[in-house]
Amino acid sequence: QKEVEQDPGPLSVPEGAIVSLNCTYSNSAFQYFMWYRQYSRKGPELLMYTYSSGNKEDGRFTAQVDKSSKYISLFIRDSQPSDSATYLCAMSASGANSKLTFGKGITLSVRP
Amino acid sequence: DSGVTQTPKHLITATGQRVTLRCSPRSGDLSVYWYQQSLDQGLQFLIQYYNGEERAKGNILERFSAQQFPDLHSELNLSSLELGDSALYFCASSPQLAGGREQYFGPGTRLTVT
Repeated sequence: QKEVEQDPGPLSVPEGAIVSLNCTYSNSAFQYFMWYRQYSRKGPELLMYTYSSGNKEDGRFTAQVDKSSKYISLFIRDSQPSDSATYLCAMSASGANSKLTFGKGITLSVRP
Repeated sequence: DSGVTQTPKHLITATGQRVTLRCSPRSGDLSVYWYQQSLDQGLQFLIQYYNGEERAKGNILERFSAQQFPDLHSELNLSSLELGDSALYFCASSPQLAGGREQYFGPGTRLTVT
């Protein structure tokens, strides 16, 4: 079993839809949870960063972490064509060895 | 623009050859991370340097090596290249050692081994 599993997609939605992206993980040591957005032929860009369980909102984006279920989500409200990209979840444990473990990413397409 | 620069953007080389990828971190960042991204494996952590010292190793092959120089730029050396080494190679930098959760990625180097 991989440490981080992410729905492979791809996902296509109409403009204005609410998008839900999810990851599950198996490593109980993970304390930090991130979402990265990667446009085609570009490097990943940090979108959201959450510590432990709970919700975090930033504009149209909401990150949710449920450590009891080892499940994280990213919600995008009022999705726009400019949101079309690959979204990767990433996680790390606390401590000095802070390597990130990434999901494989899901490609989202928002149709105008 | 993340502030992390990588050169070259594209590299095409033959099997058995050796290449060097270069990364300059964001101003003030002491940590540099190298990743490999392929379609089947996703984004895989290779190695981390902090202020010139190796700090963590991931799935890095013995044919690969890296170093971070006093001016904090880093180089990833790939030798005895195989077809399977074709991938995107990203460098990221981060201002914190124990943190490192906020990582800023460069635009990547696309390596094609023929």
